[in-house]
Amino acid sequence: SQQGEEDPQALSIQEGENATMNCSYKTSINNLQWYRQNSGRGLVHLILIRSNEREKHSGRLRVTLDTSKKSSSLLITASRAADTASYFCATPSIQGAQKLVFGQGTRLTINP
Amino acid sequence: DGGITQSPKYLFRKEGQNVTLSCEQNLNHDAMYWYRQDPGQGLRLIYYSQIVNDFQKGDIAEGYSVSREKKESFPLTVTSAQKNPTAFYLCASSILGQGATYGYTFGSGTRLTVV
Repeated sequence: SQQGEEDPQALSIQEGENATMNCSYKTSINNLQWYRQNSGRGLVHLILIRSNEREKHSGRLRVTLDTSKKSSSLLITASRAADTASYFCATPSIQGAQKLVFGQGTRLTINP
Repeated sequence: DGGITQSPKYLFRKEGQNVTLSCEQNLNHDAMYWYRQDPGQGLRLIYYSQIVNDFQKGDIAEGYSVSREKKESFPLTVTSAQKNPTAFYLCASSILGQGATYGYTFGSGTRLTVV
């Protein structure tokens, strides 16, 4: 039961540029989360944005949420080689559910 | 340091064998989850548990079994009934909150290969 879908599937940029990834989802949610996965490793929680928030910042990360369009974006500013990873959005499977459903991910490559 | 430990990191299974993947957490989290990840794909939920001695099937539970005898432990058994078990398996835990309102903490994963 796929809820979130990321776009693009892959993104390659030069170090120092900004990277933007998008996530669309289908049903009403009370929060949306973004995770990072380095190759062959587990996922790391980056940021959670609640349905009553429109924008949230954490260091070089900026997340927006548009509940009317059922979409979210993750912006990484001033990218670094260490930002190379896959990025996933996740949402509760249905309103009030305890389990998260993950999208297919965006594979981000930062070229030095 | 608190966290989730998955073992082993790599596991090889022969045809017809059952294998068990270990997942232990010392975060005092009530909820634990098992996900499967195929190459270049997202995560699919296998099983989850919100309390000791109780667990629920996820989207792809066939061919898998779990137990939750202790709060800290949530082992996953891949049985011979799972016809395509080669994948990367991820265990996660979280604080129990309404509507998955807390982030998950993930282990480092176990890569299972059928030989």
